[in-house]
Amino acid sequence: DVKVTQSSRYLVKRTGEKVFLECVQDMDHENMFWYRQDPGLGLRLIYFSYDVKMKEKGDIPEGYSVSREKKERFSLILESASTNQTSMYLCASSFRQSTDTQYFGPGTRLTVL
Amino acid sequence: QKEVEQDPGPLSVPEGAIVSLNCTYSNSAFQYFMWYRQYSRKGPELLMYTYSSGNKEDGRFTAQVDKSSKYISLFIRDSQPSDSATYLCAMENSGYALNFGKGTSLLVTP
Repeated sequence: DVKVTQSSRYLVKRTGEKVFLECVQDMDHENMFWYRQDPGLGLRLIYFSYDVKMKEKGDIPEGYSVSREKKERFSLILESASTNQTSMYLCASSFRQSTDTQYFGPGTRLTVL
Repeated sequence: QKEVEQDPGPLSVPEGAIVSLNCTYSNSAFQYFMWYRQYSRKGPELLMYTYSSGNKEDGRFTAQVDKSSKYISLFIRDSQPSDSATYLCAMENSGYALNFGKGTSLLVTP
């Protein structure tokens, strides 16, 4: 059974804190993605990675960075959290092509106070 | 203009109704069309996958693609309360990512 896990389901942080969100997949997938999901705005792609140490900006990369040191792990970093980064963060992975099924983790609800 | 447009709803129907969910898109080059279902407090999961035009049926679900109109639909027959979820359409992007619609929230009432 395919599995994408995220380090936390719920997270509360203070403005200015550095925040790490971790994602692990066990399917040997090449591609990994970070999205945020907000009411009325849908899923928005923050960053994705198509290989170890490779990354591409998505639609809304400002305020975020990512790290992929191992194939199975993709981290999203908020260098200095702000209240407008309060959101649901979803990680996904896919085999190789853009047309391959994306498998999503359960999400992390981040609240920045 | 966003490449994929989807009415966010909410859509509320009685149990047993036929549900029609729709997306429009602007890029005529799209060939692969997907529907994801997302239950509350869960990540989306793939429901249906269609290549090019035509219909695809899977149980109570039918995915339909009309490339001439740049319009895709998901039909749910004999809808059940367990179908209550957000449905997101998606299409391939150049590169590795997908273009997602904003999602339509569906509520099926007993």
